[in-house]
Amino acid sequence: EAGVVQSPRYKIIEKKQPVAFWCNPISGHNTLYWYRQNLGQGPELLIRYENEEAVDDSQLPKDRFSAERLKGVDSTLKIQPAELGDSAVYLCASSSSRPGNEQFFGPGTRLTVL
Amino acid sequence: QKEVEQNSGPLSVPEGAIASLNCTYSDRGSQSFFWYRQYSGKSPELIMSIYSNGDKEDGRFTAQLNKASQYVSLLIRDSQPSDSATYLCASPYMRFGAGTRLTVKP
Repeated sequence: EAGVVQSPRYKIIEKKQPVAFWCNPISGHNTLYWYRQNLGQGPELLIRYENEEAVDDSQLPKDRFSAERLKGVDSTLKIQPAELGDSAVYLCASSSSRPGNEQFFGPGTRLTVL
Repeated sequence: QKEVEQNSGPLSVPEGAIASLNCTYSDRGSQSFFWYRQYSGKSPELIMSIYSNGDKEDGRFTAQLNKASQYVSLLIRDSQPSDSATYLCASPYMRFGAGTRLTVKP
């Protein structure tokens, strides 16, 4: 069974540019998470989806970040415009049914904003 | 106050020793907790979940949950160099602590 797939793996952009990350969860997993992880810190939850519904986006900086999960499968996280402080690893994870079940993480996208 | 607090360490133990990792949380309603291991440059992977008060053992790992004290711990017995990693505690709402970096010295 394929794991969580993310692309791209690495992205370097200049500040004020837009950037998008894509995630394909494990087949059958209804719950999808996006996290941001800064160096030396734990993952910070940005948004959690149950199917296509965003059920927890309290920590998503909505002025510049947006996310969507059309059809309840793949998801895209966008930043527009990017700032220097957005440099981090963006992790996608998925789990079956309710939160609290084991999450499986993708390899992450390392974003560098110059 | 953060929902989940961890002593970020680092923690260094000799091979064969017991490593003790700790986590406190603020939400009294939390019923379960998770311990993840993250190797440098890799993504987190779940190693233990605990859903009730008391201890849960899985091989060399023991997780302890004390709801009255709002305290979660992870003990690693007979520590091995391959256990060297960052250990992350997470609440059921997926709020992670900062992680504790563990180094096991041969």
